[in-house]
This record gives sequence, C-alpha cells and structure tokens, in this order.
Amino acid sequence: AAGVIQSPRHLIKEKRETATLKCYPIPRHDTVYWYQQGPGQDPQFLISFYEKMQSDKGSIPDRFSAQQFSDYHSELNMSSLELGDSALYFCASSLEGQYNSPLHFGNGTRLTVT
Amino acid sequence: AQSVTQLDSHVSVSEGTPVLLRCNYSSSYSPSLFWYVQHPNKGLQLLLKYTSAATLVKGINGFEAEFKKSETSFHLTKPSAHMSDAAEYFCVVTAFGNEKLTFGTGTRLTIIP
Repeated sequence: AAGVIQSPRHLIKEKRETATLKCYPIPRHDTVYWYQQGPGQDPQFLISFYEKMQSDKGSIPDRFSAQQFSDYHSELNMSSLELGDSALYFCASSLEGQYNSPLHFGNGTRLTVT
Repeated sequence: AQSVTQLDSHVSVSEGTPVLLRCNYSSSYSPSLFWYVQHPNKGLQLLLKYTSAATLVKGINGFEAEFKKSETSFHLTKPSAHMSDAAEYFCVVTAFGNEKLTFGTGTRLTIIP
C-alpha cells in the first residue's frame, strides 16, 4: 500500500539559509499535518491543511511557512535557518471525513543546520 | 484541554517476557487514544487505536491495550517481547473536533537477549 512520501530524507543547510521540505500524502487523503521532532523529544505539531486551506496552527515559527497544493502535496518552507531548527520533520496525512481517522506518518526529513 | 503522561521513560525486558508500557490521559471530552511506535530514523507507525468501541483493543505485532475510564489509563501490553520490539513508543490522545494530537513524552523499550 502507498504510504506518505517525504523528500528529501536528509538535508544539510547552513545558518540563515532556506530549506524546502516536501510531503506527498497517501492517495485520497485530504489532510496533511507537519510535526517537528527535536533530538530526544516527542513530536510537536506545526501546522495542518485540509483541502488546500490551513486548518490549524501549532508552534510554527514565523520564519516557516507551508502550503498544500491542488494535488494535495504539501511543502514546508523554512527561512533564516537557525541551529535550533535541526530536527526530524514529519509529515502525516489522514482522511478528514473519517471520525478521528488516524494519522499516517512519513519517514521524515532530517534537517541539520550547521 | 487534554494531556497524556507516559509513566516510564525507559523500560527494559528480557526477550520472551511480557511488556507493559503505561499511559495515563486526561481529556475534557471523550477521547480517542492511540499508540504509535517509532524505530530509529523512521516515521511513526500506528500500533492500535481506541475510539469508544471495545475497551480492549488489539493492534499489530501482538500488542494490545485496554482503555480504563475509571483509571484514565490506556496501558500497552504484549505477552512475549521480541528483539524487533525495541523502539520508542508514544501514547497519543485526541478529542473529538481537535485535530491536533497530544503526544506523550515517549517510552524507550529495550529488549535484553
């Protein structure tokens, strides 16, 4: 079965650079979530999209932005990168119409800021 | 408001012995509860979920969990541990209408050969 695809798997950037992370949800899933997981931490919710509109916002810095496109894939754009942005970034998708549909997570993008 | 507490940050068991990972929750609404497993450098995989149906929930890889409303608990168990069970386990709660999951801080399960 198709799963959530994230690219790239690994990304190394320098401080003050920008990064773009991509997420391709499971086919027919209409909702995408982004999570950030720091070293040894539990995942923290950043932002979510339903039918290409932002549906909820968590602890996402103003330097970050995201969007969901017409094909339901999503991109997380990160600017003015800081050392503290080094983390594993997960994308998850679900089918909003199903009551409390569980999230299906991708394998994540590991971002290292040097 | 909702929260989840995983009572043990690290659990070690011998291969072939039972596993118990403890989770307590609080929620203003009838919650849905999940257990996710995370292997190193991997995404989170759903083990099982409780959504107000049967209180004993069976998941993948021989895991199960029992929802106990009176104790606000949702402990994860497995009768016999396998080496491949070594991973980080997250207990997660969400209430109806709240699309943000609240994660516990995780329990690292180590299996001793």
